[in-house]
Amino acid sequence: SAVISQKPSRDICQRGTSLTIQCQVDSQVTMMFWYRQQPGQSLTLIATANQGSEATYESGFVIDKFPISRPNLTFSTLTVSNMSPEDSSIYLCSVEPWTGDNEQFFGPGTRLTVL
Amino acid sequence: AQRVTQPEKLLSVFKGAPVELKCNYSYSGSPELFWYVQYSRQRLQLLLRHISRESIKGFTADLNKGETSFHQKKPFAQEEDSAMYYCALSGGATNKLIFGTGTLLAVQP
Repeated sequence: SAVISQKPSRDICQRGTSLTIQCQVDSQVTMMFWYRQQPGQSLTLIATANQGSEATYESGFVIDKFPISRPNLTFSTLTVSNMSPEDSSIYLCSVEPWTGDNEQFFGPGTRLTVL
Repeated sequence: AQRVTQPEKLLSVFKGAPVELKCNYSYSGSPELFWYVQYSRQRLQLLLRHISRESIKGFTADLNKGETSFHQKKPFAQEEDSAMYYCALSGGATNKLIFGTGTLLAVQP
């Protein structure tokens, strides 16, 4: 298994500002994922972040809005840029350890409210 | 298109009653199906996966390729089963997960 922490756990931000969310894992992992869960909705994948390469974004998500860093095998950041109230969501990090069985472990999430 | 459908947003049952949480999927290849669960104030965690064919906390799930379904069942619900359940699909080389909208299971005493 993998233990994942996220910072901050929650934040309230003003529109037009940016917030960087950190995801830390207690072991080296190949694949890290960032999801968004808007109020009352399911999880939607934003991007896949692999170390040493550019993040791969899903349809509807762009790098300018959600820049991602993956400097090493245990850490990643997601920035929500130029925020608007529509960005109010829970943002989750997940990882897939090197077990080869496709199981993903999720962080506790970051609850973002944009005023 | 890849899609996961959970037709029920809320399922309320009494303790001891059988439970069936429904999941249908749309995928052109051979997907891997999962059930994730989120208990109150806890993080999302894996409950079942179709390739392991095991029973976790009394829940079992069968992949029916003909009906493109992955329903999970438990013969006797317990109050501690109350949680949000998400069906998810993974396919292709990226292993990304596609989630359904979730079903909130409420087990009444």
